[in-house]
Amino acid sequence: DGGITQSPKYLFRKEGQNVTLSCEQNLNHDAMYWYRQDPGQGLRLIYYSQIVNDFQKGDIAEGYSVSREKKESFPLTVTSAQKNPTAFYLCASSIRTDQETQYFGPGTRLLVL
Amino acid sequence: SQQGEEDPQALSIQEGENATMNCSYKTSINNLQWYRQNSGRGLVHLILIRSNEREKHSGRLRVTLDTSKKSSSLLITASRAADTASYFCATDAPGTYKYIFGTGTRLKVLA
Repeated sequence: DGGITQSPKYLFRKEGQNVTLSCEQNLNHDAMYWYRQDPGQGLRLIYYSQIVNDFQKGDIAEGYSVSREKKESFPLTVTSAQKNPTAFYLCASSIRTDQETQYFGPGTRLLVL
Repeated sequence: SQQGEEDPQALSIQEGENATMNCSYKTSINNLQWYRQNSGRGLVHLILIRSNEREKHSGRLRVTLDTSKKSSSLLITASRAADTASYFCATDAPGTYKYIFGTGTRLKVLA
């Protein structure tokens, strides 16, 4: 069953803690993306990766880090430097980065304790 | 920065009616996409229209693109309660690998 999965569905972060959101795809897509969505808002790009071992900052990368060691995996770490991390985080993938349909995971909701 | 802006922000209609939502953007594009998001879920791709296309259909969906006005519209015909969702347009930024998403139209279809 092909698709893109995210875990966990809900994540709680304590002050000063780093947390990592998982994103996995078995679509054999080269490109992967992380977006942040705040209530009633559109999506803002955090990071994207065109290919394994390469990634680029999006519009709001501060306080976040990523890695792309495997084609199917693109984890996002929300660091303690991100002062307002409460949001809905969406991972997406596409065949390539240029002009292609993006397929989204179900999202992870991050809440601060 | 380039951004799609949807209009209206919210729309409430009766089942069976048509729903029209609009998207405007600021700079030239290669293509524009429409996505649907059910509450608390990921986005689902609906349709992609390229800059050299003027209209595209998919089932009950009709998308138009007017590059001279930098605008697009999404028409959902014979709406159903299951169409209740937020609808986003996304425009590519030529020369980059980014899509810019608008803030969405929240559609509510009343049974």
